[in-house]
Amino acid sequence: GAVVSQHPSRVICKSGTSVKIECRSLDFQATTMFWYRQFPKQSLMLMATSNEGSKATYEQGVEKDKFLINHASLTLSTLTVTSAHPEDSSFYICSAREGQGAGYTFGSGTRLTVV
Amino acid sequence: AQKVTQAQTEISVVEKEDVTLDCVYETRDTTYYLFWYKQPPSGELVFLIRRNSFDEQNEISGRYSWNFQKSTSSFNFTITASQVVDSAVYFCALSEEGGGTSYGKLTFGQGTILTVHP
Repeated sequence: GAVVSQHPSRVICKSGTSVKIECRSLDFQATTMFWYRQFPKQSLMLMATSNEGSKATYEQGVEKDKFLINHASLTLSTLTVTSAHPEDSSFYICSAREGQGAGYTFGSGTRLTVV
Repeated sequence: AQKVTQAQTEISVVEKEDVTLDCVYETRDTTYYLFWYKQPPSGELVFLIRRNSFDEQNEISGRYSWNFQKSTSSFNFTITASQVVDSAVYFCALSEEGGGTSYGKLTFGQGTILTVHP
């Protein structure tokens, strides 16, 4: 079945630094990728949607200059949290879709802790 | 705008009991998908089922069953003879496929924490 590999699974960084999270679709071409954030004991909230070769579309309230999303190829999307602060500590999950009507394949998530 | 409501925040049952997790959705699209996911403590989302809006047939998979009723905009999930390993957070989700501004975006409900005691 479809697999999305997400790395790293855990990362601890210092406040003010940047962190990059990668999502790769291993056996299919992900025309669309989605990035979610999940705070403890809360639901998954969509941050942004990206289509290969296009700029990401951010949800209301998500700072595009802080959460940089790149979807340069059909198999790779990255989320960079710039100038991270403790309040950015969260669980970040990516999801990929092969095309219209296709299912969603989720990565295993990245637990970010900013100290 | 699409919305998914899981009114049960937490449910606690004893092993072998049956349990139903409720899900109510809102959408203006006539074409949409409904999903259920399981999220164990590890955090990874485990896909359970996808149902399209044109297929109201109920589905059974082992101890799991789903009841989809468009008339009440509900997509409930029942676990029969629950087991300790069923303990997790369960999410219901909706994606609109009609081509509007929310096209393809997966909206999650708040989640239901299920605890099954031995």
